[in-house]
Amino acid sequence: EAGVTQFPSHSVIEKGQTVTLRCDPISGHDNLYWYRRVMGKEIKFLLHFVKESKQDESGMPNNRFLAERTGGTYSTLKVQPAELEDSGVYFCASSLKRQGGYTFGSGTRLTVV
Amino acid sequence: QKEVEQNSGPLSVPEGAIASLNCTYSDRGSQSFFWYRQYSGKSPELIMSIYSNGDKEDGRFTAQLNKASQYVSLLIRDSQPSDSATYLCAVSIRGANNLFFGTGTRLTVIP
Repeated sequence: EAGVTQFPSHSVIEKGQTVTLRCDPISGHDNLYWYRRVMGKEIKFLLHFVKESKQDESGMPNNRFLAERTGGTYSTLKVQPAELEDSGVYFCASSLKRQGGYTFGSGTRLTVV
Repeated sequence: QKEVEQNSGPLSVPEGAIASLNCTYSDRGSQSFFWYRQYSGKSPELIMSIYSNGDKEDGRFTAQLNKASQYVSLLIRDSQPSDSATYLCAVSIRGANNLFFGTGTRLTVIP
């Protein structure tokens, strides 16, 4: 079975630009999560989809972040406009069950300069 | 106060020794506990989950949970150089969908 796929693996953008990250979960996994790790800090929750619906977006830092999951398949996370503090590694994860261990993707390292 | 606390290490053990990794959590409503292993530049990989007090063994790994003390640990027996990685403790709280992570403990197994 293919794992969770994220791309790009790296992105370097200038402050004020827009970046879109993509996540393809494991086929059949209704639960999809976005997490972020800022350098030196712990991995932190951003939001949770169940199929195409946002179940919990309490971790989204502000309205510059927009996540979508069209048709309940892949998901995108858009940052517009990007700020320096948005730099970090963005992880996507998926799971069959709502609670329990996830399978993580390899992450997108975003650098805002 | 952080939800999940881990000693960042680094923790160094000789090959063949037992590595002991510790984690404490603050919310008494925590109900599920996970250990992830993360190699440098790679994704976190789930290696153990534990839901009730006591020990759970899987191969060379043993997870231990003590809810009264709000403490969860991971023991790695017969440590191998390939076990060198960062180990992340993660906790889910009753009613919440997300996981709270510690900052991770970096383990180095010396051949």
